[in-house]
Amino acid sequence: KAGVTQTPRYLIKTRGQQVTLSCSPISGHRSVSWYQQTPGQGLQFLFEYFSETQRNKGNFPGRFSGRQFSNSRSEMNVSTLELGDSALYLCASRREGRETQYFGPGTRLLVL
Amino acid sequence: GNSVTQMEGPVTLSEEAFLTINCTYTATGYPSLFWYVQYPGEGLQLLLKATKADDKGSNKGFEATYRKETTSFHLEKGSVQVSDSAVYFCALSASGAGSYQLTFGKGTKLSVIP
Repeated sequence: KAGVTQTPRYLIKTRGQQVTLSCSPISGHRSVSWYQQTPGQGLQFLFEYFSETQRNKGNFPGRFSGRQFSNSRSEMNVSTLELGDSALYLCASRREGRETQYFGPGTRLLVL
Repeated sequence: GNSVTQMEGPVTLSEEAFLTINCTYTATGYPSLFWYVQYPGEGLQLLLKATKADDKGSNKGFEATYRKETTSFHLEKGSVQVSDSAVYFCALSASGAGSYQLTFGKGTKLSVIP
């Protein structure tokens, strides 16, 4: 069974631009969560989507948004990029009713 | 709120040494507890989990026991290998309205030398 996939794996943007990251969950998993990993703040929860609806949101500014499609694939968008948005963005999926989350390889974003 | 505290390291051990990485948590209710491992340049891999008090999770020689009385979930391995070199994250899963959110510790970098 294929794992969680994320595209692209690496991305370089400049301040003020926007970026869209994509995540395809494990087949049969309908819940998708996003996390940001930075050396300073560690791993922080961004949001969770289920059935095309945002079910939970972490403490991030409104520049961070996401969506989920009917096939459970998810995208996250960051607008008006700041240097501090440079991070590894991890997507995780899980089966509804189960707690265990399975992570993808991440997208490494560098903002210059 | 929920929080996880783990020894930050780095930890350097010789091959075949005993490993302990301490993890304690603060949470309302009874969370599930996890250890994830991250190899260089990769995402997180689930190492083991425990869902209730006194449960022991185990995988690939690693073990951790959910201790409710001490709010701890320490990771142990009897004999580490060079291939165990990675960053280890302790995490708890808090639920609400069907959503499960992971709260992570800062991570412990383990280096195993031959």
